[in-house]
Amino acid sequence: DQQVKQNSPSLSVQEGRISILNCDYTNSMFDYFLWYKKYPAEGPTFLISISSIKDKNEDGRFTVFLNKSAKHLSLHIVPSQPGDSAVYFCAASSSNTGKLIFGQGTTLQVKP
Amino acid sequence: DTGVSQNPRHKITKRGQNVTFRCDPISEHNRLYWYRQTLGQGPEFLTYFQNEAQLEKSRLLSDRFSAERPKGSFSTLEIQRTEQGDSAMYLCASTGVAYEQYFGPGTRLTVT
Repeated sequence: DQQVKQNSPSLSVQEGRISILNCDYTNSMFDYFLWYKKYPAEGPTFLISISSIKDKNEDGRFTVFLNKSAKHLSLHIVPSQPGDSAVYFCAASSSNTGKLIFGQGTTLQVKP
Repeated sequence: DTGVSQNPRHKITKRGQNVTFRCDPISEHNRLYWYRQTLGQGPEFLTYFQNEAQLEKSRLLSDRFSAERPKGSFSTLEIQRTEQGDSAMYLCASTGVAYEQYFGPGTRLTVT
């Protein structure tokens, strides 16, 4: 039972354009959502998060949007840079345990 | 603070042998999580500790797996009688009062 899904295995964008990564979840008990970036042979690096009481959170070039009625969140990267090329994971948690449930990841390639 | 550290970074072992991994969390973090990641998948939750208490174990954690956090600081994950299916990246993460988890670089286990 995949509670968190990233349906696009890969995404390719031109440098300077917007990258939009999507994520869907099924469990209504999730109340905190996070995005991580991962390079090969390294652990995931925390990027940005959002609480279920908000619908948008912004940090520099990264913005996360949450649509609770659709159980959908997205990560926008503007402008995209070649250094953003990596695997991006969305994750969800409920506040009682804090354990993270991850999606399968989306590989982003930003072309110069 | 140097972040979350894990040792060893790589471990190659023969089927049937026991292995032990260590995780040193960020010093003021009271929660510590273990995850496992296989190729093409997101990290999967294994277990977590609040201080020295192990509060939840995933059904993925068979009887051959055991984890400890004896003094509420570092943690160890032991796998007994390793099987080829145990080959994966084992990730440790820690968190304090916030929900964001910070990951170590992982231990890559290869069972031959």
